[in-house]
Amino acid sequence: EVVLTQSPATLSLSPGERATLSCRASRTISDYIAWYQHKPGQAPRLLIYGTSYRATGIPARFSGSGSGTDFTLTIASLEPEDFAAYYCQVRTDWPPTWTFGQGTKVEIK
Amino acid sequence: EVQLVQSGAEVKKPGESLKISCHVSGYDFWNFWIGWVRQMPGKGLEWVGTIYPPDSDSRYSPSFQGHVSMAFDNATAHLQWSGLRASDTAIYFCARRYSGFEYFDYWGQGTPVIVSS
Repeated sequence: EVVLTQSPATLSLSPGERATLSCRASRTISDYIAWYQHKPGQAPRLLIYGTSYRATGIPARFSGSGSGTDFTLTIASLEPEDFAAYYCQVRTDWPPTWTFGQGTKVEIK
Repeated sequence: EVQLVQSGAEVKKPGESLKISCHVSGYDFWNFWIGWVRQMPGKGLEWVGTIYPPDSDSRYSPSFQGHVSMAFDNATAHLQWSGLRASDTAIYFCARRYSGFEYFDYWGQGTPVIVSS
């Protein structure tokens, strides 16, 4: 079983600043990391899949990178609507398991 | 348009049974697995299980195996419990799994479940 550890737990930033969110896996995994944005009262929203591919309609300020055990979601310049929780997720082959990180909350400083 | 529409909020007592649903539309549902994800109050997202509509082949998280069951019929996925616990209080989301890159691309709006005596 793989464990995804996200850091920091909370990121306090101002609009316009750059946000860098980390997701570290307990062992080497495939490049199938996905990132989701989640706001209270809403469904989670897919941002990034396959480590670095932006989902349909996702602004270019969101980017993903990484390989092996270390993955990063970067928000180049925070917009007011970007303050939310963010989760990384991976699927491992055996046993077939979908795992989420514990999340990073991006809050307004 | 792809849509996953979930059933409404539920309030139940410990030990009671419950089935919540997720109606899918706008795509060929025979080709996509449906997953369930839990969010407990103040906590993060947890994978519960995933079901394949054509044959109901199911995969469960070890944390939920034996406590919940999944089913699919008439374009609707179901998540059910035969004996609820207070710790089942959470919001449950259904989501469409996209194979290949292995992500959940479309999500339901969530079903709040409250279990309290």
